[in-house]
Amino acid sequence: ETGVTQTPRHLVMGMTNKKSLKCEQHLGHNAMYWYKQSAKKPLELMFVYNFKEQTENNSVPSRFSPECPNSSHLFLHLHTLQPEDSALYLCASSPQVMEKLFFGSGTQLSVL
Amino acid sequence: KQEVTQIPAALSVPEGENLVLNCSFTDSAIYNLQWFRQDPGKGLTSLLLIQSSQREQTSGRLNASLDKSSGRSTLYIAASQPGDSATYLCAVRPLIQGAQKLVFGQGTRLTINP
Repeated sequence: ETGVTQTPRHLVMGMTNKKSLKCEQHLGHNAMYWYKQSAKKPLELMFVYNFKEQTENNSVPSRFSPECPNSSHLFLHLHTLQPEDSALYLCASSPQVMEKLFFGSGTQLSVL
Repeated sequence: KQEVTQIPAALSVPEGENLVLNCSFTDSAIYNLQWFRQDPGKGLTSLLLIQSSQREQTSGRLNASLDKSSGRSTLYIAASQPGDSATYLCAVRPLIQGAQKLVFGQGTRLTINP
């Protein structure tokens, strides 16, 4: 248990569905991240939040919408996804932006 | 643009052997380098973090080295055990632009055979 909890662990959704991924950290960290891990590709940073403010959007399509209501919680709202969006979505946190990252177990997303 | 390469993509060794995993990066201007372990279908566990001013870090049977000028890092695992089987990922944090972004390699899938 790393102190970063992601739910759900698995999600199957159709292209017209709307769903949300949730991440919660109990470590008192100030920075939170969404990463995407596709088969046969390196991990890709999607978003960075620092003290609840978004500080990085790595050219992510608008069908992915992040939300950070406080420093402990991070959401990724999904709508009208494509099959190529199927991947493992990982949340991470760190004490400050430049410091060591702690990852959750991820949500395995399948888009049909 | 920073790129991180890990070779080999997969490695299989008998239990008890000492082994070295390799990571290379194209731009030596890095803030730090981090090694992670990932079990199948799971998140990443941080193993070691080396700051750019450091040459190595040790944790138990693991030792990571950093040669920034040549753009290389190695992860040494001593006396390997079946429980060490996992994918090992290397990531660098660029020093200048994009410092919030870790750049990952594709990983080395390690199998330790009993």
